[in-house]
Amino acid sequence: EVQLVESGGGLVQPGGSLRLSCAASGFTFSTYWIHWVRQPPGEGLVWVSCISSDGRSTSYADSVRGRFTISRDNARNTLYLQMNSLRAEDTAVYYCLVFNSGQPYWGQGTLVTVSS
Amino acid sequence: EIVLTQSPGTLSLSPGERATLSCRASQSVSSSKLAWYQQKPGQAPRLLIYGASSRATGIPDRFSGSGSGTDFTLTISRLEPEDFAVYYCQQYVSPPVTFGGGTKVEIK
Repeated sequence: EVQLVESGGGLVQPGGSLRLSCAASGFTFSTYWIHWVRQPPGEGLVWVSCISSDGRSTSYADSVRGRFTISRDNARNTLYLQMNSLRAEDTAVYYCLVFNSGQPYWGQGTLVTVSS
Repeated sequence: EIVLTQSPGTLSLSPGERATLSCRASQSVSSSKLAWYQQKPGQAPRLLIYGASSRATGIPDRFSGSGSGTDFTLTISRLEPEDFAVYYCQQYVSPPVTFGGGTKVEIK
């Protein structure tokens, strides 16, 4: 069974940093692209970033490019999102997402709150 | 980037009625890369349909998906009380993955 478990969220001040993790199991992690998606309170779903299976290719939404860095450790079956220079508008639930055999799988999400 | 437009924004219906939700793409989407989700407050999105018409595991058969190209539809044949929620479509042809703005199905 595919499982994704996010962690690392919390309260951080504007300008601060946070690193999210997504632990994966139930599939061959090292062979799939993986995505981060976020959902601000009361709003819709927004794609944030993705990374290729080998970690060599990455892509970012304009709103986070230059501030967020996606990475992965295939030996640990773990995806990361390093978030720097955080802003109030980055407040959201962050989800990791993988497409396995054409079907999407999501984690349960981790809440990031940026506030002073 | 493929833009997905969902309509209507809000659908007011009674239990037992049929709900028809639309998702229109700004360019053609491979049917195998279109999904529908249900979301309730405080919960993660719940996958209903993937590949435009394949029901996810455990999803009741009152939920069905159809469509191709740029026009896709989620139909709930007879609304149950637990079906009142927000529904999103998603395309995953290639990055960036994009989502529609959502349709809220509310009790009339």
